[in-house]
Amino acid sequence: ETGVTQTPRHLVMGMTNKKSLKCEQHLGHNAMYWYKQSAKKPLELMFVYSLEERVENNSVPSRFSPECPNSSHLFLHLHTLQPEDSALYLCASSQESITGRGYEQYFGPGTRLTVT
Amino acid sequence: GIQVEQSPPDLILQEGANSTLRCNFSDSVNNLQWFHQNPWGQLINLFYIPSGTKQNGRLSATTVATERYSLLYISSSQTTDSGVYFCAVEGYSTLTFGKGTMLLVSP
Repeated sequence: ETGVTQTPRHLVMGMTNKKSLKCEQHLGHNAMYWYKQSAKKPLELMFVYSLEERVENNSVPSRFSPECPNSSHLFLHLHTLQPEDSALYLCASSQESITGRGYEQYFGPGTRLTVT
Repeated sequence: GIQVEQSPPDLILQEGANSTLRCNFSDSVNNLQWFHQNPWGQLINLFYIPSGTKQNGRLSATTVATERYSLLYISSSQTTDSGVYFCAVEGYSTLTFGKGTMLLVSP
């Protein structure tokens, strides 16, 4: 148990569906992240939120839409996904300083997404 | 961006053996973490070690920041050590992961 929870743990969705992934951190951190892990590829950073503001968006397609309503919760809204979007989606959190990052990240258990 | 290379890509050990995993990186880092990913996908923090040496039970890690590498030592390996070990580094931006070392410890 890392203090970061994700729901659902598994999700199967069709290409026309809309679904959302949820992440919650209980560590008092002020930064949250979404990563994608595809088979045979390194983890890829998708989005970064610091103090509830999106600070990075690494060329992610618009069919992925993040939302951070407060510093403890992070969502990833999914719509009209493609089969190649099937992957493990991991959420993480850390405590950033005003000078930047460099602090330890803690990960949730992930949501394994299958797009049919 | 910063490049991260891990070696070896795969490793098979007999239970009780020792091993060393290596992580090379291409630039100065503010953060370096070692993770173990279990078969269910959970990334477990092993070490936060941008420099120096740390030990935790059978595991230890050393980062030589000036030479841009880190080593993870596993002693007296157990079957539960099986999984993928990732090194991740943060330079001036975000955390960049290596491709991992897949470790299989057989009884």
